[in-house]
Amino acid sequence: EAGVVQSPRYKIIEKKQPVAFWCNPISGHNTLYWYLQNLGQGPELLIRYENEEAVDDSQLPKDRFSAERLKGVDSTLKIQPAELGDSAVYLCASSPLPRPGQSNNEQFFGPGTRLTVL
Amino acid sequence: AQKVTQAQTEISVVEKEDVTLDCVYETRDTTYYLFWYKQPPSGELVFLIRRNSFDEQNEISGRYSWNFQKSTSSFNFTITASQVVDSAVYFCALSSGYGGSQGNLIFGKGTKLSVKP
Repeated sequence: EAGVVQSPRYKIIEKKQPVAFWCNPISGHNTLYWYLQNLGQGPELLIRYENEEAVDDSQLPKDRFSAERLKGVDSTLKIQPAELGDSAVYLCASSPLPRPGQSNNEQFFGPGTRLTVL
Repeated sequence: AQKVTQAQTEISVVEKEDVTLDCVYETRDTTYYLFWYKQPPSGELVFLIRRNSFDEQNEISGRYSWNFQKSTSSFNFTITASQVVDSAVYFCALSSGYGGSQGNLIFGKGTKLSVKP
């Protein structure tokens, strides 16, 4: 079974430029997450989708960040314009529906996109 | 507020030594889930274990074992007879069992484990 796919793996841009990251979750996983991981830190949630609906975007800096998951499958995260402080690894994860009697399920992560803003 | 503390920033051991990674969590929820993930140098987070708050049984999987103690809000991870391939950053994470944020993972800062031959 294919894992979570992310592209590109690396991106270097000048500040004030736009950038987009793409994620394709594991087939059949209805929940998709975008996380931000700074160097030496744990991942921090940016946004969570249930199918095509963004059910939690409270941590997404909406002045410059946007995301979409139009058909409830793959997703795009965009930054416009990028700032120096946006340099980090952007991780995508997916999870299936919780098992009966459970309200949580393990998340499977992609390899991430390492963004460098110069 | 929910919080995960991994007090050990870095640990270095020699191959075949046992090592325990500590994780202390804070939550007001009665239903919650605890996780451990491994992040090798390649960068991809690998799921290791999930535990719900009602299951305090310790678990063993090969050389890995986990000790969950609600009384001390801890979920510690032990690697027995460590190997060089165990070298990675290990993250403990917590998620709520209900509410709008259920499923969202709150990660600790991670513990970097180096296993030397």
